[in-house]
Amino acid sequence: RKEVEQDPGPFNVPEGATVAFNCTYSNSASQSFFWYRQDCRKEPKLLMSVYSSGNEDGRFTAQLNRASQYISLLIRDSKLSDSATYLCVVNGASSASKIIFGSGTRLSIRP
Amino acid sequence: EAQVTQNPRYLITVTGKKLTVTCSQNMNHEYMSWYRQDPGLGLRQIYYSMNVEVTDKGDVPEGYKVSRKEKRNFPLILESPSPNQTSLYFCASSLGGSSYNEQFFGPGTRLTVL
Repeated sequence: RKEVEQDPGPFNVPEGATVAFNCTYSNSASQSFFWYRQDCRKEPKLLMSVYSSGNEDGRFTAQLNRASQYISLLIRDSKLSDSATYLCVVNGASSASKIIFGSGTRLSIRP
Repeated sequence: EAQVTQNPRYLITVTGKKLTVTCSQNMNHEYMSWYRQDPGLGLRQIYYSMNVEVTDKGDVPEGYKVSRKEKRNFPLILESPSPNQTSLYFCASSLGGSSYNEQFFGPGTRLTVL
């Protein structure tokens, strides 16, 4: 089983739709969680950190479920500019541990 | 401008010819890391460094070496490149000597080994 798993997609949704991604992780001792966004042939950039209490940034909401070991990302009122690959990132049990990326979920927003 | 730079951006080489990809950051970050990205496999961590003179293996360290003699630089060395090291490589850095913080990525180096 992969340490971090994501549905690769692609998700193809109309502009204005709400779309949700999940990401599961295997190490129950993991401490920090992130969503990164990667545009085609570009470097990944932080979209948002994921906190235990859940957090929201405009149209984006991230949730963490430690009991079931998954994190989620919800995008409301999707825009054409949201088309990208979304990467789930989990670190290990300590601050000195390695960082694990999911293989990414590709999202395409159509007009 | 705060940034992570990598050189070269593109490289085509032949099997066995030693090469170095440089990575430099100007943000005074302690944590630096190298990744490779392959289709369907996502980003996989090769090596990381919590601070100067401290390096650790990531998930796929075989065939690579790194060094961290100065805080700002973290070069990736391929002593004897092979075709299975053809990939897109990213260097990243983050504040603090920990893996808990946001990572800032360089623009990537596309390496082809013939």
